[in-house]
Amino acid sequence: SQQGEEDPQALSIQEGENATMNCSYKTSINNLQWYRQNSGRGLVHLILIRSNEREKHSGRLRVTLDTSKKSSSLLITASRAADTASYFCATLNFGNEKLTFGTGTRLTIIP
Amino acid sequence: EAQVTQNPRYLITVTGKKLTVTCSQNMNHEYMSWYRQDPGLGLRQIYYSMNVEVTDKGDVPEGYKVSRKEKRNFPLILESPSPNQTSLYFCASSVGYLKNTEAFFGQGTRLTVV
Repeated sequence: SQQGEEDPQALSIQEGENATMNCSYKTSINNLQWYRQNSGRGLVHLILIRSNEREKHSGRLRVTLDTSKKSSSLLITASRAADTASYFCATLNFGNEKLTFGTGTRLTIIP
Repeated sequence: EAQVTQNPRYLITVTGKKLTVTCSQNMNHEYMSWYRQDPGLGLRQIYYSMNVEVTDKGDVPEGYKVSRKEKRNFPLILESPSPNQTSLYFCASSVGYLKNTEAFFGQGTRLTVV
């Protein structure tokens, strides 16, 4: 079953602009993770935010988590052409060891 | 280099012909899992393993088998592949319980069953 649902499904922006992607989920989580996937390749972990955290930063990435709304956002600042990829949120629910992925946001950075 | 290695990267096979996709990790990770990725459906977990000789079903286990005889290896077996198993498959591993750790993914195996 799909837990995370990303929004939008696709996003195109100019290089240098900021990109924001959202993720909503349905059940209580232990943590939420964001991954990047370049076309047809393996997923690469970007950032993990625990359920008791509200915001986390890593380089040009900023992730927020609102457990009351069951939602998270990923902000990429000062986008670069190399950021073109699909981005997935994944939730780890309480009581199991399974990461449940959403369907992803396809981000295109226009040079 | 720390990595998860899948083989083969690409495979075309015929319906009913048994196949195995291998997965190996060199990070001494306890937890390993298999996912399939289909357009519009994201990644869905097939099977996972918390340690040697411990495996359990994920969301879409039908038509697949796994084994975990050694810590580093977690092969995915399709005893009688069917066209609906045409997909992009990923193996992943992590240190242990996923609670505070990331998953490392292989490069994927694109399987076509005709």
